[in-house]
Amino acid sequence: DTGVSQDPRHKITKRGQNVTFRCDPISEHNRLYWYRQTLGQGPEFLTYFQNEAQLEKSRLLSDRFSAERPKGSFSTLEIQRTEQGDSAMYLCASRSESYEEQYFGPGTRLTVT
Amino acid sequence: AQRVTQPEKLLSVFKGAPVELKCNYSYSGSPELFWYVQYSRQRLQLLLRHISRESIKGFTADLNKGETSFHLKKPFAQEEDSAMYYCALLNNAGNMLTFGGGTRLMVKP
Repeated sequence: DTGVSQDPRHKITKRGQNVTFRCDPISEHNRLYWYRQTLGQGPEFLTYFQNEAQLEKSRLLSDRFSAERPKGSFSTLEIQRTEQGDSAMYLCASRSESYEEQYFGPGTRLTVT
Repeated sequence: AQRVTQPEKLLSVFKGAPVELKCNYSYSGSPELFWYVQYSRQRLQLLLRHISRESIKGFTADLNKGETSFHLKKPFAQEEDSAMYYCALLNNAGNMLTFGGGTRLMVKP
């Protein structure tokens, strides 16, 4: 296990298309987080899973966004009807139950044209 | 609501000079604060957390609840310290990490 992985690393899509990103956390980590980072800003929290349960959602997560973690392992983040404002780096992080450090993936860079 | 502010977007120092990256926070509960670092072409990683009160790579940070600050300090900067630094606050439920906007540290030879 080499850490948190994300796929794809880059995605270019046209406005109005749907996109889906995947995150594979560190295997023994039961907590998983999604963040969005735009240029010149720090990461902004989007949503949080404990095992398969989605326990927290930011107001940033509009109804065009949906996240799942069906078996408590990998997670997907889907954006429907993408807009140019969705262009950003989408980061995934995971942590264990007992230690607060979040381990980040490399991110998926989304460009909406 | 919780908020983290890093007032400097860019901090440029010469090698061997002291460094202080500022972080101020706003939170009604008992804060747990972190510094994360991102080196060029690497992923975001934890540098240090306030409750461990340790020094990592020569960096220290002290939580000042009176001033609601958690500034990152190093007495003698090295070129390899050049990176993006993010201050972050974890809420009491442990389910939301709020980041500041980041400070780019450039250490010149």
